[in-house]
Amino acid sequence: SAVISQKPSRDICQRGTSLTIQCQVDSQVTMMFWYRQQPGQSLTLIATANQGSEATYESGFVIDKFPISRPNLTFSTLTVSNMSPEDSSIYLCSVEARAGGLSGNTIYFGEGSWLTVV
Amino acid sequence: GQNIDQPTEMTATEGAIVQINCTYQTSGFNGLFWYQQHAGEAPTFLSYNVLDGLEEKGRFSSFLSRSKGYSYLLLKELQMKDSASYLCAVSAHSNSGYALNFGKGTSLLVTP
Repeated sequence: SAVISQKPSRDICQRGTSLTIQCQVDSQVTMMFWYRQQPGQSLTLIATANQGSEATYESGFVIDKFPISRPNLTFSTLTVSNMSPEDSSIYLCSVEARAGGLSGNTIYFGEGSWLTVV
Repeated sequence: GQNIDQPTEMTATEGAIVQINCTYQTSGFNGLFWYQQHAGEAPTFLSYNVLDGLEEKGRFSSFLSRSKGYSYLLLKELQMKDSASYLCAVSAHSNSGYALNFGKGTSLLVTP
């Protein structure tokens, strides 16, 4: 498995500001992803963070709103830009890592960053 | 796109067995995951199926039928701490290469 640390764990943000979330993994991983979970909803993939190149965004998400960096194989950042109350959500970093034994690779999640925009 | 359906809510009694079903429609199927999410916490990995059949892991088992687009999570000897949301997630090839699409989750309440 992989140990994933996210910062900040929680924050209250002012409308119109931007916040950068950091994700640090304890081992090198090829695949890193950013998800969002809005209140009462399931997880939605924002983008795949690609090391050394631009992130791959899912439909409905754009780089200007959610710029992502991936400078190396253990670290990524997600910025939520020009925030509005609709951006209040949990933002989760996830990685693909070996599960151990014969389970092959699986997807693990960080503890999440809980943002409230006021 | 992918359609992933699972019941919204279920209730079961402590010590009993409960089965949470998940149906999906997808192309480029690359595996099905189950996650547990307690309120206020991030999802934690429970199981992964890529081949048909049953995978058993302690009190939790997961089944997959690729031809039917169907999976279930079986929880035995239910405990109060099993009250949580259970998320079915399908991995399929997309523009992102390989990532998960989640169902809306099944909220399980275990009662005494």
